[in-house]
Amino acid sequence: ETGVTQTPRHLVMGMTNKKSLKCEQHLGHNAMYWYKQSAKKPLELMFVYSLEERVENNSVPSRFSPECPNSSHLFLHLHTLQPEDSALYLCASSQARGYSPLHFGNGTRLTVT
Amino acid sequence: QQQVKQSPQSLIVQKGGISIINCAYENTAFDYFPWYQQFPGKGPALLIAIRPDVSEKKEGRFTISFNKSAKQFSLHIMDSQPGDSATYFCAAGDFSKYGNKLVFGAGTILRVKS
Repeated sequence: ETGVTQTPRHLVMGMTNKKSLKCEQHLGHNAMYWYKQSAKKPLELMFVYSLEERVENNSVPSRFSPECPNSSHLFLHLHTLQPEDSALYLCASSQARGYSPLHFGNGTRLTVT
Repeated sequence: QQQVKQSPQSLIVQKGGISIINCAYENTAFDYFPWYQQFPGKGPALLIAIRPDVSEKKEGRFTISFNKSAKQFSLHIMDSQPGDSATYFCAAGDFSKYGNKLVFGAGTILRVKS
């Protein structure tokens, strides 16, 4: 596998469920990111892990909990979500230093019912 | 200060025409300006990027024009093709700190009519 892989591609969950999104990168990068993409809105940066340390948490509600066990894997744990959390969640990776472009996965389409 | 404003929201261009998308930013600390292209069902992919030390960068049919004093930059797609139909995002980043934190525009949906 190459690039950035996200699973699952689609997820429907109730407001009381607990689920996790998974991201894996095969590019040798050492920084990973979670972005939220909603229709007609800019991509919103949620979390950044650089060298396995969380360096950014953009006032994201605590019902979203990231985990980065190593430089190749990133998780987003979800619990007691709200319908307005329905969106496309994108994972990306890059080198932590220099003008390294972000490489995105194809996202997980999340629907909260 | 962290916003990047992108226009137009949508654009229809005839095949062979020029597509132009504009972006403006406020934060003068931004020093990296990439454009991303996104097809339905796919994640955004880097198209072309520019640093503020140059006013223009060209790669094939795609050109970025950068105006540092006006804090504006634009994407020009020459000889637009139906395969260019996609959503385009501009972004701006400050890479002086660790991690590459990009601020994105809201996107432009481009449709090229054949």
